[in-house]
Amino acid sequence: DTAVSQTPKYLVTQMGNDKSIKCEQNLGHDTMYWYKQDSKKFLKIMFSYNNKELIINETVPNRFSPKSPDKAHLNLHINSLELGDSAVYFCASSRYQGLNTEAFFGQGTRLTVV
Amino acid sequence: GQQVMQIPQYQHVQEGEDFTTYCNSSTTLSNIQWYKQRPGGHPVFLIQLVKSGEVKKQKRLTFQFGEAKKNSSLHITATQTTDVGTYFCAGPFSGGYNKLIFGAGTRLAVHP
Repeated sequence: DTAVSQTPKYLVTQMGNDKSIKCEQNLGHDTMYWYKQDSKKFLKIMFSYNNKELIINETVPNRFSPKSPDKAHLNLHINSLELGDSAVYFCASSRYQGLNTEAFFGQGTRLTVV
Repeated sequence: GQQVMQIPQYQHVQEGEDFTTYCNSSTTLSNIQWYKQRPGGHPVFLIQLVKSGEVKKQKRLTFQFGEAKKNSSLHITATQTTDVGTYFCAGPFSGGYNKLIFGAGTRLAVHP
């Protein structure tokens, strides 16, 4: 079984559209994240949820709205997509809110906005 | 703000040569983590170092955490084509929240 799974793997869409990416983890972790990886491979955290509660919200445009229906799921909805949103989006989870824990990443969603 | 810097950005080696990537933090870290991302893949956790001056080995990979807990290195001995990928170091955000600050990564290419 995949520990952190996200869908879809690829997403090609036109500017102005609204799209969602789904993420689920079966590791029993309390904390889930969304990361954005740009074309230069730089990994930047966007959001973090702990037990369904938003704890980190980086300076991300409010067109991006995360939703955590339960602690095993963290979805990302993006409104009015722009060309600059093209990137790979990774969902990740970790064991608990703390300083010494590893992150498990999903397979990534490659978003291309045309 | 807190930064984690990593050098070099790219490294091309011949198979069998050694490889080292270096990581430097602007703040003292409680721990440092290393991840590997294969081309087209996702970051995969390799190791975590916690103690000052700690050295850990995984087969041909040697990880070091500096005495001041502000720098770290990953050394690969006798690279193989399977080592290809991007290696990231990551340190926890000093403000808590279980947030990791990733370095920019070192992309390793191994030529057979």
